[in-house]
Amino acid sequence: SAVISQKPSRDICQRGTSLTIQCQVDSQVTMMFWYRQQPGQSLTLIATANQGSEATYESGFVIDKFPISRPNLTFSTLTVSNMSPEDSSIYLCSVVTGTLFYGYTFGSGTRLTVV
Amino acid sequence: TQLLEQSPQFLSIQEGENLTVYCNSSSVFSSLQWYRQEPGEGPVLLVTVVTGGEVKKLKRLTFQFGDARKDSSLHITAAQPGDTGLYLCAGYNTDKLIFGTGTRLQVFP
Repeated sequence: SAVISQKPSRDICQRGTSLTIQCQVDSQVTMMFWYRQQPGQSLTLIATANQGSEATYESGFVIDKFPISRPNLTFSTLTVSNMSPEDSSIYLCSVVTGTLFYGYTFGSGTRLTVV
Repeated sequence: TQLLEQSPQFLSIQEGENLTVYCNSSSVFSSLQWYRQEPGEGPVLLVTVVTGGEVKKLKRLTFQFGDARKDSSLHITAAQPGDTGLYLCAGYNTDKLIFGTGTRLQVFP
């Protein structure tokens, strides 16, 4: 399975600022996914990032708040813009390599605290 | 909106006990996966079930996919402290993996 490197692993940010999270995969993948995990809760899909096209956002998530870049088949970034304390969460990137049968591979996540 | 409800939300048991976690939805999924997540890490796949009624065993863990492919269960026999973690079911449809609400398991020695 793929190995995902996600940076930063954690950060504490002031409200009103923006943070860009990087996700690097050790192999080429067609689709990359960004999830949010609020404290003590499950994972919610933010968007699907495809190389060469705009990201597809899930209901409740908008591009102005969570712009995503996907410049090549091994890299993606998620920006959390104009942050508020409600954005404090773990953000995870994920890929599927091979068939879905082998599951999604996740990065270790970025723990974001907004103060 | 496809929702996957897990029960129970929290489970604290003694080492050696058995337990079952349930994952229910009103939607049909083409496949269903179970993941375990430990603090500071991303979820890690335990199993994928595809066929309605399918049963899979992974050492002390038994997974079942409902006949109608809307629900699933995870049974752990003789739980151990190393089983502690967040258990997540996830249903797959139309290029999306949707996660359940999660079950946090604590196994005490």
